[in-house]
Amino acid sequence: GESVGLHLPTLSVQEGDNSIINCAYSNSASDYFIWYKQESGKGPQFIIDIRSNMDKRQGQRVTVLLNKTVKHLSLQIAATQPGDSAVYFCAEILAGSARQLTFGSGTQLTVLP
Amino acid sequence: KAGVTQTPRYLIKTRGQQVTLSCSPISGHRSVSWYQQTPGQGLQFLFEYFSETQRNKGNFPGRFSGRQFSNSRSEMNVSTLELGDSALYLCASSLMREGNEQFFGPGTRLTVL
Repeated sequence: GESVGLHLPTLSVQEGDNSIINCAYSNSASDYFIWYKQESGKGPQFIIDIRSNMDKRQGQRVTVLLNKTVKHLSLQIAATQPGDSAVYFCAEILAGSARQLTFGSGTQLTVLP
Repeated sequence: KAGVTQTPRYLIKTRGQQVTLSCSPISGHRSVSWYQQTPGQGLQFLFEYFSETQRNKGNFPGRFSGRQFSNSRSEMNVSTLELGDSALYLCASSLMREGNEQFFGPGTRLTVL
């Protein structure tokens, strides 16, 4: 079955609110977890990654939280903007798999005016 | 710095034909990976090349092959096309240093009739 999955296929938020996108994984041998954003007609764009020995990592307006106990990953977007509307994918890199990304199914984030 | 470029952007083929897709990585990037994206299966890893050598291969039939040239440009080939091969084929390049940022191109949309 799929190693990386997402809780919700769609998420709508009001502009200016914070967004939280969740992801569950099953493989404990993952080295890294990565969030990608894909806008219509474009390839996925790297947002942020987190190594498996970390719990939290922050970027510009984004925070990734990793809970290894329950094998859960989340992406928090602060002050969501219309330009954040896209499909968000979590992905993992398994130890020893070089650069191979295993993607989840994606969450469509829609930012409402 | 120019991004990852893929050619052609759109392609229509018929069953049984073969197709070659091209990817030019970001200048200086030596690792190139290929992914297939479909609505049903999502994003799936095809293979990765580094210094003209295939480092890793996903779970795809032998009809899918690739290669990398000395200038790091890569091609993938699909022979004996099937309807199910209709997909967006994405190429990603990376520096192969510490860190996981892979830069994706816009993809080639292949339609098999």
